[in-house]
Amino acid sequence: QSVLTQPPSVSAAPGQKVTISCSGSRSSVGNSFVSWYQQVPGTAPRLLIYDDDQRPSGIPDRFSGSKSATSASLDITGLQTGDEADYYCGTWDSSVSFGRVIFGGGTKLTVL
Amino acid sequence: EVQLVQSGAEVKKPGESLKISCQASGYTFTSYWIAWVRQRPGKGLEWLGIIYPRDSDTRYSPSFQGQITISADKSISTAYLQWSNLKAADTATYYCARPRQQLVRWALDYWGQGTLVTVSA
Repeated sequence: QSVLTQPPSVSAAPGQKVTISCSGSRSSVGNSFVSWYQQVPGTAPRLLIYDDDQRPSGIPDRFSGSKSATSASLDITGLQTGDEADYYCGTWDSSVSFGRVIFGGGTKLTVL
Repeated sequence: EVQLVQSGAEVKKPGESLKISCQASGYTFTSYWIAWVRQRPGKGLEWLGIIYPRDSDTRYSPSFQGQITISADKSISTAYLQWSNLKAADTATYYCARPRQQLVRWALDYWGQGTLVTVSA
């Protein structure tokens, strides 16, 4: 059972916008930066967003992140068929000694 | 170019031991934490633990403490994940990953290609 809650799936048509939510707690999302990862089946995850809303170089600005209190969101605009993948949020959880990284359960994006 | 290259797929029997590796290149190995992440077939990502190769400071997720051992050999820029008593439930793909910034333990920016571990009688 994941400590961060994401919807299992979302879908939208090419060119449209989709939002993936990530809900946590005060000791996780509310107390640390959120990252977002994209994983195409059979490949390693790729960092899309870090520090809530920052994009690594090479990530298109169609991908954007935001956070408010204990929830975070990933927006993908101008959907492309190549965006079909699983998306995970992750953050640092300080509720345990030393802390740990926790991930959401993942959201499968289907581009119709 | 930062690269993390993991050892190849393994097939083991329950009760056996195993050590898989993650060789880093393209950066100063001792300056960044290295994390291990598990992904069971068809399931999500789970963080196992992390090591700081400079002093081998190692921390485990409470869910995996006592079940795995993480280590590193800074002379060959390689991190390891090992088991002494594999179970069928350990069947998964295991990734090593490096955070984006020094001294940071999250925002995993560089990933190995994954090592598939299959445990079956």
